[in-house]
Amino acid sequence: DGGITQSPKYLFRKEGQNVTLSCEQNLNHDAMYWYRQDPGQGLRLIYYSQIVNDFQKGDIAEGYSVSREKKESFPLTVTSAQKNPTAFYLCASSRAASWNTEAFFGQGTRLTVV
Amino acid sequence: GESVGLHLPTLSVQEGDNSIINCAYSNSASDYFIWYKQESGKGPQFIIDIRSNMDKRQGQRVTVLLNKTVKHLSLQIAATQPGDSAVYFCAEAYSGGGADGLTFGKGTHLIIQP
Repeated sequence: DGGITQSPKYLFRKEGQNVTLSCEQNLNHDAMYWYRQDPGQGLRLIYYSQIVNDFQKGDIAEGYSVSREKKESFPLTVTSAQKNPTAFYLCASSRAASWNTEAFFGQGTRLTVV
Repeated sequence: GESVGLHLPTLSVQEGDNSIINCAYSNSASDYFIWYKQESGKGPQFIIDIRSNMDKRQGQRVTVLLNKTVKHLSLQIAATQPGDSAVYFCAEAYSGGGADGLTFGKGTHLIIQP
């Protein structure tokens, strides 16, 4: 089935560690996005990519890094520089780089610092 | 920047009744709007979208109304069912703008009473 897959569903990180969240899509979408969601809050954009080998910072990029080496993959690394990483992370993709088409979301990764 | 907001954080309705979830937007240049449904612990799921050249769009049991004069968007759900319990987000975009994604509201939690 076509879709967007995030893994793992739950992730625990010790303080000072970097962790990488996976996002894979087989929809042949050009654009991919990472959002952070805190309890009772909306979605805040971390990074986005319009095309392979290119990505841009969103509103809250500090403490995060991404890569886009393949069209179908857009992994997010939460670095030790991110002081409050506990949150629900959502990856999305869309056919076009501009937001006038439907966007598909993955099922999310819940990251907890222990 | 301009923001999208929701009037009510929680809406409780009886099973079988119709639900109306409201959303105010402030960016008059926005020309594309989406409603998403997010169940607990899952990623947002696309419900319906509408472009600014339309006032109304209907889907299966859902209707979105757009009033550009007062910058108001609503989602109507007919004959609500227990499975409709979720958080509903509206989001806006300007198709002629950058590719940095949608602007999301904080969401309305819809609770279906038996």
